[in-house]
Amino acid sequence: QVQLQESGPGLVKPSQTLSLTCTVSGGSISSGDYYWSWIRQPPGKGLEWIGYIYYSGSTYYNPSLKSRVTISVDTSKNQFSLKLSSVTAADTAVYYCAREVQYCSGGSCLLNWFDPWGQGTLVTVSS
Amino acid sequence: SSELTQDPAVSVALGQTVRITCQGDSLRSYYASWYQQKPGQAPVLVIYGKNNRPSGIPDRFSGSSSGNTASLTITGAQAEDEADYYCNSRDSSGNPVFGGGTKLTVL
Repeated sequence: QVQLQESGPGLVKPSQTLSLTCTVSGGSISSGDYYWSWIRQPPGKGLEWIGYIYYSGSTYYNPSLKSRVTISVDTSKNQFSLKLSSVTAADTAVYYCAREVQYCSGGSCLLNWFDPWGQGTLVTVSS
Repeated sequence: SSELTQDPAVSVALGQTVRITCQGDSLRSYYASWYQQKPGQAPVLVIYGKNNRPSGIPDRFSGSSSGNTASLTITGAQAEDEADYYCNSRDSSGNPVFGGGTKLTVL
């Protein structure tokens, strides 16, 4: 049973870079069947997809965050990481890592789902 | 604002049936998935695709879709079903997107 666990600082100063790591256990991140995603949730608000990485290193980011986001993978450690630069208070959120499955047929990817999710980690941006 | 629209809150009497909806033009082209989130916990996948339940999800949860609307139905709602529910699909550019969430109260 695959499990994901986020780790990283819980407090980041404004204008600095937020860095988080997701460790995958119970399965290989190098499996070609999955995409490894970051999703966040500001306190009391809804979910926002940040981006994903494929084990090969290919990435895809939310256009609204693309200029500040970098997602990388370390297959030797079975981990993937998130960096979000120039953070402000608006970036305060619970950050989740999740495994994404994309179902594609005939060249079109008609369905995606996220399962499982990590427990989440709260990152507060404050001086 | 999200390209997937959900009612902010819905209530249901214990044991009754409730439908939670998710609307968006992209749902004419893409399937939805649904997540249950209880306070202080990570979201849990309950339905994906036309009507697929992951292992361990009770069969009182079902999904359907028509036109630009995807629906999550709970048949015989239980007290433990009280939670926030989020739909997920793609936006007009093909990026993953979540609905704003629906808070389900079981009376």
